[in-house]
Amino acid sequence: DIQMTQSPSSVSASVGDRITITCRASQGINNWLAWYQQKPGKAPKLLIYGASSLQSGVPSRFSGSGSGTEFTLTINSLQPEDFATYYCQQADSFPLTFGGGTKVEIK
Amino acid sequence: EVDLVESGGGLVKPGGSLRLSCAASGFTLSTYYMTWVRQAPGKGLEWVSCISTSGTYTYYADSLKGRFTISRDNAKNALYLQMNSLRAEDTAVYYCARDAGSYQDKKDAFNIWGQGTMVTVS
Repeated sequence: DIQMTQSPSSVSASVGDRITITCRASQGINNWLAWYQQKPGKAPKLLIYGASSLQSGVPSRFSGSGSGTEFTLTINSLQPEDFATYYCQQADSFPLTFGGGTKVEIK
Repeated sequence: EVDLVESGGGLVKPGGSLRLSCAASGFTLSTYYMTWVRQAPGKGLEWVSCISTSGTYTYYADSLKGRFTISRDNAKNALYLQMNSLRAEDTAVYYCARDAGSYQDKKDAFNIWGQGTMVTVS
C-alpha cells in the first residue's frame, strides 16, 4: 500500500498569511493526488485533484503543486473560513490512502 | 440538486452486522464510480471501498479482510455497504462519496459527499 505522510500535523497562522502543507507518498504516484478541506462535523470538501487542478467553485487562493512523491498545498492570504483540517489522498492505485491531516489553527 | 444521503448506521454489538445505504439524487448514478470513506471519532479519514459503475469491479482497504461488501443498485439510485463481524475499531462516521469525474474521466477523487452515518460497535 502507498503511505501518505503530511507535514506539519498542525500549523498556527493569522488571517492574511500564506501557508504551505506538504504531502509525501511512499512511492511515485505521478500526479494522482487530491486535497480536501474538512471542518468539524462536516463532510470533506474536494479542493484540488490531479495534484494541481482546482475543483470548480474553490477560491483561487488555493493551489496545488508537485509530482512523483512530493506535493504541496498552498493557501494564499488565509481567510477566516480556511481554518480547518486538510487531507491529501493518493489516487494512483487501490487501496486509496489518505494522509494523516494538517490542522490549520488561528494564531 | 446533486445529493447523497446515508442511512443505516446505529449501535451494534461486536460480531454483529449492519448494512449502510446511500441514496443518490440529482445525477445519473450509473455513470460514476462510488466509494465509502470512514472517520473514527477524533481521527483522520480512512478510505474503505470503491465500486465501478456497473458493480463489476470492487476494491477494499486491506484492513477490512473480507468483512465488508460494497454493492450498488443503479435502478434504485442506491449504494450499499454490508458490514459483518463488526469490531470496536469499526466505530466511525461512514461517508459515501461520488467520483469527481464520470466513468470516462474517472479521477479517484471525490467531490460529492453525504452527511455521514454513525456506526458504533460496543
